[in-house]
Amino acid sequence: EVQLVESGGGLVQPGGSLRLSCAVSGFTFSNSAMNWVRQAPGKGLEWVSTLSDRGDTTYYADSVKGRFIISRDNSDNTLLLQMDSLSAEDTAVYYCAKVELWFGENYFYYMDVWGKGTTVTVSS
Amino acid sequence: SYELTQPLSVSVALGQTAKITCGGDNIGSKNVCWYQQKSGQAPVLIIYRDDIRPSGIPERFSGSNSGNTATLTISRGQLGDEGDYYCQVWDSDSVIFGGGTKLTVL
Repeated sequence: EVQLVESGGGLVQPGGSLRLSCAVSGFTFSNSAMNWVRQAPGKGLEWVSTLSDRGDTTYYADSVKGRFIISRDNSDNTLLLQMDSLSAEDTAVYYCAKVELWFGENYFYYMDVWGKGTTVTVSS
Repeated sequence: SYELTQPLSVSVALGQTAKITCGGDNIGSKNVCWYQQKSGQAPVLIIYRDDIRPSGIPERFSGSNSGNTATLTISRGQLGDEGDYYCQVWDSDSVIFGGGTKLTVL
């Protein structure tokens, strides 16, 4: 069974840092691109960051660029998100998801498996 | 930056057909996917590459994409179809989500 389990969320003060993890099982992690998506309370989905299968290509939303770093440990089947300089606008449920993508002709990108999410609250 | 526009809400009578649109500049040239999110749950992929259903998704869900509009069609609407629906594309090194549409089954 394919499973993605996020952890690491919690309450953090503005300006603080947090590191999220996503433990993966049931598929070959090292062959899969991965991403993080977040959802602020009562709001829609917002893409955060994408990491290629080999970990050598990253993409970030403008809202997190320079503050968040996505990485992976293919030996441990874990996706990570280091979040620094947090503000109230980063308060959200953070989901990791497995990505299917093709950037050639007729490119596509979709997230076919999602975790249940971990909640990050930034507040003093 | 690229934008996707969805109606805030759509309602459908039980057993009837609902259509949720996703508008974007020449979206027909892109591959669109759709997610369903029920209250308190993680999103689930229901359509990818415009019109392909993942395994386990009922045939009642279908997708199309042409011109400036992609459409998710839900046939024979059921109470269990209630929730939020999001379209999504990839553009200029970014994932773009529509704002989401709340589906109500009457």
